[in-house]
Amino acid sequence: NAGVTQTPKFQVLKTGQSMTLQCAQDMNHNSMYWYRQDPGMGLRLIYYSASEGTTDKGEVPNGYNVSRLNKREFSLRLESAAPSQTSVYFCASSVLGNYGYTFGSGTRLTVV
Amino acid sequence: GQQLNQSPQSMFIQEGEDVSMNCTSSSIFNTWLWYKQDPGEGPVLLIALYKAGELTSNGRLTAQFGITRKDSFLNISASIPSDVGIYFCAGPIEGAQKLVFGQGTRLTINP
Repeated sequence: NAGVTQTPKFQVLKTGQSMTLQCAQDMNHNSMYWYRQDPGMGLRLIYYSASEGTTDKGEVPNGYNVSRLNKREFSLRLESAAPSQTSVYFCASSVLGNYGYTFGSGTRLTVV
Repeated sequence: GQQLNQSPQSMFIQEGEDVSMNCTSSSIFNTWLWYKQDPGEGPVLLIALYKAGELTSNGRLTAQFGITRKDSFLNISASIPSDVGIYFCAGPIEGAQKLVFGQGTRLTINP
């Protein structure tokens, strides 16, 4: 049972490049989330999907798009990367109505 | 929006010492959660609190849901090296399936 799997684990982008962060969960969870973690800022919600077929903005959505491909997969896309998007990105999932999230191990993204 | 403030931001202690940290908000929360993040990993849920005044333990960890519903506390007794990491409090945004997290308390233990 893998839980939440994020790929890639590390990525370096040049300013203006695009990329997609992948996330998949095998726990049959309804809800999925993307957070970013920056020093001293804690975890900030970028986008979430309460259930398959729905997505909503979180606290810091600008510069990002998401796709809930199916119940298992929730991807995060950076269309034109900026240095301010240098961060560690975490995907998480949960049962709808439950706040015990299961997190992936993160993607460390550097934009130069 | 709803925000959570954790203190202290960092702690440097000796192995075997007890640890106390807290989380406060200007808004009421109906659920409080505490997560721990080991270095290089994602956060893991430690304790969930659902009722004002509730005191819940998980091994050497004890958490309390403040009676005003605007704060929560986490205590770790007799700290050991594997307690190192970042501790986050979190609470659900009312009416939405999402959590807001505090900034975290980074715990460092000197052997």
